[in-house]
Amino acid sequence: DAKTTQPDSMESTEGETVHLPCSHATISGNEYIYWYRQVPLQGPEYVTHGLQQNTTNSMAFLAIASDRKSSTLILPHVSLRDAAVYHCILRVSSSFSKLVFGQGTSLSVVP
Amino acid sequence: NSKVIQTPRYLVKGQGQKAKMRCIPEKGHPVVFWYQQNKNNEFKFLINFQNQEVLQQIDMTEKRFSAECPSNSPCSLEIQSSEAGDSALYLCASSLTGYSYEQYFGPGTRLTVL
Repeated sequence: DAKTTQPDSMESTEGETVHLPCSHATISGNEYIYWYRQVPLQGPEYVTHGLQQNTTNSMAFLAIASDRKSSTLILPHVSLRDAAVYHCILRVSSSFSKLVFGQGTSLSVVP
Repeated sequence: NSKVIQTPRYLVKGQGQKAKMRCIPEKGHPVVFWYQQNKNNEFKFLINFQNQEVLQQIDMTEKRFSAECPSNSPCSLEIQSSEAGDSALYLCASSLTGYSYEQYFGPGTRLTVL
């Protein structure tokens, strides 16, 4: 599984829009970009995923660079509940393939 | 929101004891994964199943762990002889089959080996 690089930590204020960057310079053509988040005492929570086109759902907007070597998870109007560790993961296009988590970005949200 | 159920939430065992934890995947999800998250928050894939069949497992799982997903019963992961280094959060995730379906995680079983 290819490697991703994320900042260790970021801080934001409630109501702001947060941009979480992820670099994946060696991504393969059959690898999807997945985002999960985890809060203490809970399992990881699926946020979104994409292959090439930008995607959006109720939780976030995923912007994928045209060369696919980087992506940005955009969280609009963050609240205290969005404070979590956000993981950017590359995964081949099979539901049988495991997720390989890195350290992720610890997002803190202040009032 | 994930509907994967894991029991127990907390498990305390002495070294050398067996430790067993269970997972009920989301309804209709035939693929189940087990991961271990240690105190440094590092994840390790352990094993995955499609229905009752093991798809992949790591060496450690093959030697010291036993896992199964019987038909019409919860999946289980059992450590035959617990070691201090097995203290961790054990996470179960389930998925549909097909093209890049996401995995949904349960809350985990936190194992402490004294």
